Amino acid sequence: QLKLQESDPGLVKPSETLSLTCTVSGGSTGSTDYFWGWIRQPPGKGLEWIGSISYSGTTYYNPSLKSRLTISVDTSKNQFSLTLSSVTAADMAVYYCARGRVIISVGAFDVWGQGTMVIVSS
Amino acid sequence: DIVMTQSPDSLAVSLGERATINCKSGQSVLYSSNNKNYLAWYQQKPGQPPKLLIYWASTRESGVPERFSGSGSGTDFTLTISSLQAEDVALYFCQQYYSTPYTFGQGTKLEMK
Repeated sequence: QLKLQESDPGLVKPSETLSLTCTVSGGSTGSTDYFWGWIRQPPGKGLEWIGSISYSGTTYYNPSLKSRLTISVDTSKNQFSLTLSSVTAADMAVYYCARGRVIISVGAFDVWGQGTMVIVSS
Repeated sequence: DIVMTQSPDSLAVSLGERATINCKSGQSVLYSSNNKNYLAWYQQKPGQPPKLLIYWASTRESGVPERFSGSGSGTDFTLTISSLQAEDVALYFCQQYYSTPYTFGQGTKLEMK
């Protein structure tokens, strides 16, 4: 059974860089049938799509974050990662990694990790 | 960006009754080349990640109970729960995946009356 697990970044200081990794088990990030994505949700609020990446490394970014964002995939480790630079309090949220099926489209997600809370504080 | 607007923001329905949640997109999410609406519905329970219920506006995800159905086309969509069960109490989101940035509705909180 496919499982996605986000890393725990702990506390991130304002202006620093957030780094998150999603480890995939029970499936392969190298599969051509799937793509991988990041979505975030501030406490008590709605969902915001951050970006998606294909097995080959093709990326799709939210323009509102694009200047600060890098998403990458490491098929040898069966992981994909997010880095977000110059974080502020506005970046505080639960960050989810998720999988989508190519047959549906790049932007819909059928399997999600449990999420990791990112706190931005000095 | 395509703005997704759900109504109502919250809804209370009795056990066994029908629940209807609406979603309106700021522009059509119907892709003319394949006649598919790039619209998904998710359910989120407290402390859990969202769960995909419906994609292509009306295709039920594997394992999702038949009481959940999606309808609509273009800019107006509906999620219907035909007979509310206790386990359906949750937050529901629509999402367009027609164009980036992929965007979600603000959510509808479904409660038991």
